[in-house]
Amino acid sequence: ELKVEQNPLFLSMQEGKNYTIYCNYSTTSDRLYWYRQDPGKSLESLFVLLSNGAVKQEGRLMASLDTKARLSTLHITAAVHDLSATYFCAVEGGTYKYIFGTGTRLKVLA
Amino acid sequence: DSGVTQTPKHLITATGQRVTLRCSPRSGDLSVYWYQQSLDQGLQFLIQYYNGEERAKGNILERFSAQQFPDLHSELNLSSLELGDSALYFCASSVVPVWGLGTGANVLTFGAGSRLTVL
Repeated sequence: ELKVEQNPLFLSMQEGKNYTIYCNYSTTSDRLYWYRQDPGKSLESLFVLLSNGAVKQEGRLMASLDTKARLSTLHITAAVHDLSATYFCAVEGGTYKYIFGTGTRLKVLA
Repeated sequence: DSGVTQTPKHLITATGQRVTLRCSPRSGDLSVYWYQQSLDQGLQFLIQYYNGEERAKGNILERFSAQQFPDLHSELNLSSLELGDSALYFCASSVVPVWGLGTGANVLTFGAGSRLTVL
């Protein structure tokens, strides 16, 4: 059964600091996604990573994928308050299942 | 507006009752996914349909059922409701139908969710 785990579950960080969120998954997959959820809102797509070594960047966020290690990272550079949200990774496993990680609730403090 | 429409937005009901949640996918999307989000369980995959056919089943209880109709809208039926069924239920849609075929990305577009409260 495909399992997707993220750590940390909660992250409180100061503005201007850097940090990395980790996403591990349990089965072979070449397709990994990152989504963002603002409090009380729905999920929105952030990044799509489709191959080993893929790296995508948008503003202060950079996502990467290592399919051999079954690991994706979401790196936050010089955090700002607007990045406060819950971040989910998701993996497409076999038989059409699309499984989300546990989520990382990020709070950026001024 | 994401293009995925979910109704109702909020629903309050009693234990033992039955409710139906409705989802209209984004125009052109053939796949519909249902997820349950509760505070302590994260986002749980329930079920996926493609063009009217069930394609994948996750941790969906036997008290829950779903279907996708010819016009592609989907309904999630929750019966014999328990307090623990209180959650936010999301529907998402996508255009890519089949895992493993091609190299296209399968980005889900989510609806705003239906918040179910069971008292």
